[in-house]
Amino acid sequence: QKEVEQNSGPLSVPEGAIASLNCTYSDRGSQSFFWYRQYSGKSPELIMFIYSNGDKEDGRFTAQLNKASQYVSLLIRDSQPSDSATYLCAVLDNAGNMLTFGGGTRLMVKP
Amino acid sequence: EPEVTQTPSHQVTQMGQEVILRCVPISNHLYFYWYRQILGQKVEFLVSFYNNEISEKSEIFDDQFSVERPDGSNFTLKIRSTKLEDSAMYFCASGSQGLGTGELFFGEGSRLTVL
Repeated sequence: QKEVEQNSGPLSVPEGAIASLNCTYSDRGSQSFFWYRQYSGKSPELIMFIYSNGDKEDGRFTAQLNKASQYVSLLIRDSQPSDSATYLCAVLDNAGNMLTFGGGTRLMVKP
Repeated sequence: EPEVTQTPSHQVTQMGQEVILRCVPISNHLYFYWYRQILGQKVEFLVSFYNNEISEKSEIFDDQFSVERPDGSNFTLKIRSTKLEDSAMYFCASGSQGLGTGELFFGEGSRLTVL
């Protein structure tokens, strides 16, 4: 059973602060890792993906991957109230056919 | 901007009835997926579909479920005999390059309520 674990939160940060979201996964053979954002009652939307160990930056978002520790994180700089949502970590299986989602972390950015 | 469209947005049905959920993926996409999300729970993979056949399915996708791409544009999920526990939001998704880039485009979902 491939597991993707996230702290459900809520994670509360003040506007302008850095939000740090974490995710661990069980399948050591996983190669690709994704962060999605889901607003309440809406569908998931892709924020970014990462394949290689280290950091990947895209605007205010930075994804960090550590395959040895089976750990992936998402940093959101200069958090805005509009960033308030549930952030879903997703892991692609080695065959590339199935994306397994974590339960999500609810982020609340307070003005 | 192209989008994945799903119908109906909400369907209420009696236990034991058949349900068909419809999806129109983005027109040049080749990879199609169904996911479901029970209220307050994880997004769960059901099935992936490529080149007119199922490429992967989860344990959830048992004999009660089937998928079809009947006319080159629609992609349907059929639940033959619904159970109470099938109540969930069902998301269709499509991609142009498989899951390697994670660039899945999700529809807005079809909420299924089984009474």
